[in-house]
Amino acid sequence: AQSVTQPDIHITVSEGASLELRCNYSYGATPYLFWYVQSPGQGLQLLLKYFSGDTLVQGIKGFEAEFKRSQSSFNLRKPSVHWSDAAEYFCAVGRITNAGKSTFGDGTTLTVKP
Amino acid sequence: DTGVSQDPRHKITKRGQNVTFRCDPISEHNRLYWYRQTLGQGPEFLTYFQNEAQLEKSRLLSDRFSAERPKGSFSTLEIQRTEQGDSAMYLCASSLGRRGVETDTQYFGPGTRLTVL
Repeated sequence: AQSVTQPDIHITVSEGASLELRCNYSYGATPYLFWYVQSPGQGLQLLLKYFSGDTLVQGIKGFEAEFKRSQSSFNLRKPSVHWSDAAEYFCAVGRITNAGKSTFGDGTTLTVKP
Repeated sequence: DTGVSQDPRHKITKRGQNVTFRCDPISEHNRLYWYRQTLGQGPEFLTYFQNEAQLEKSRLLSDRFSAERPKGSFSTLEIQRTEQGDSAMYLCASSLGRRGVETDTQYFGPGTRLTVL
């Protein structure tokens, strides 16, 4: 069975500081990996995805993530956080064949201090 | 806007009542998914459709829940005899889902927030 762990429930960073959100997954085959962002009352917006190839993937809004198979991790990073990045972030893993049914972590809430 | 849309955005109902939600996917997308999200949790998979066929249902989908996608376009999710534990955000997503296409990214709608009193 596939599972996702986001170890940090809540993270606070200062505006302009760097950010890293952790994601560990458990999956028996080659995974699809995703990061989504959710603002209050909103649906999920896809930030980036990894299917294959280069293990460092670039996404929207200046985010990037690195797939490390040996560590079963897919951490999200941003070099300089903006106040508008405050939101909840979800990591998800999906199947590489058939339907990409996704399993989500419980999310990390990001607070940005001015 | 050609994204996934859901209606209504909010629904308040009394315990025991039936409710129905609608999802309109992105027009060329073959797959449609329903997820449930409770406070402090990530979305949990409920069911998905390939065109009009419902191909998988989670054990979370009790017999009070039924989903349809009659013409392979929009979908409805009905909850009968609602319980307070059904209070959650119900999210719909769609994906291209074409055979031979390896990547299958899901695009989510804004959700329907259900409150059962």
